[in-house]
Amino acid sequence: GIQVEQSPPDLILQEGANSTLRCNFSDSVNNLQWFHQNPWGQLINLFYIPSGTKQNGRLSATTVATERYSLLYISSSQTTDSGVYFCAVCSFSGGYNKLIFGAGTRLAVHP
Amino acid sequence: EAGVTQFPSHSVIEKGQTVTLRCDPISGHDNLYWYRRVMGKEIKFLLHFVKESKQDESGMPNNRFLAERTGGTYSTLKVQPAELEDSGVYFCASSQESLTSGSEQFFGPGTRLTVL
Repeated sequence: GIQVEQSPPDLILQEGANSTLRCNFSDSVNNLQWFHQNPWGQLINLFYIPSGTKQNGRLSATTVATERYSLLYISSSQTTDSGVYFCAVCSFSGGYNKLIFGAGTRLAVHP
Repeated sequence: EAGVTQFPSHSVIEKGQTVTLRCDPISGHDNLYWYRRVMGKEIKFLLHFVKESKQDESGMPNNRFLAERTGGTYSTLKVQPAELEDSGVYFCASSQESLTSGSEQFFGPGTRLTVL
């Protein structure tokens, strides 16, 4: 089945710093989503981005489907950005109709 | 518009007991999914409903897990009898169309299950 790899696994930042999280996937996809799991365990939708670039405030994401990767950019990080960031994909080539998640990037932003 | 809701938010039970988790999808979403994250590992798919029909239950770990979606609205996930390794966070999600049609999936807040 499709493999989803996220890097780095852990990231520690000072407040105000910028960061880039990466998601590599092993097969063509028709759905890619980024989520933030906050300290309360809730999964918050960040981006639905099977291709192209999107921006939402301090966050932006780019997916290059032909090269099988996606990037999540966090600018001017804040302590509230702490948590785990997940990338998840759906691969139609395998007949899947479910999201396959990466292991996540655990982000800690310190004041 | 209300998002996906789940009940309870947290459940603590003893090994061998039964627990039933409930999910209410976003109104009008025919596609409903269950996932879980155990032991801090990856979030894994359990099953997928389209209306009241199970489309894919390949992720269900064993026959101690039973999911239903009577009437095609809310869904329940019953664990009977619960084992220690069932502890984790159970997420429900819904989408208007199927994922293979390019529809976005929205997640509920999860139910944290602790089996003692």
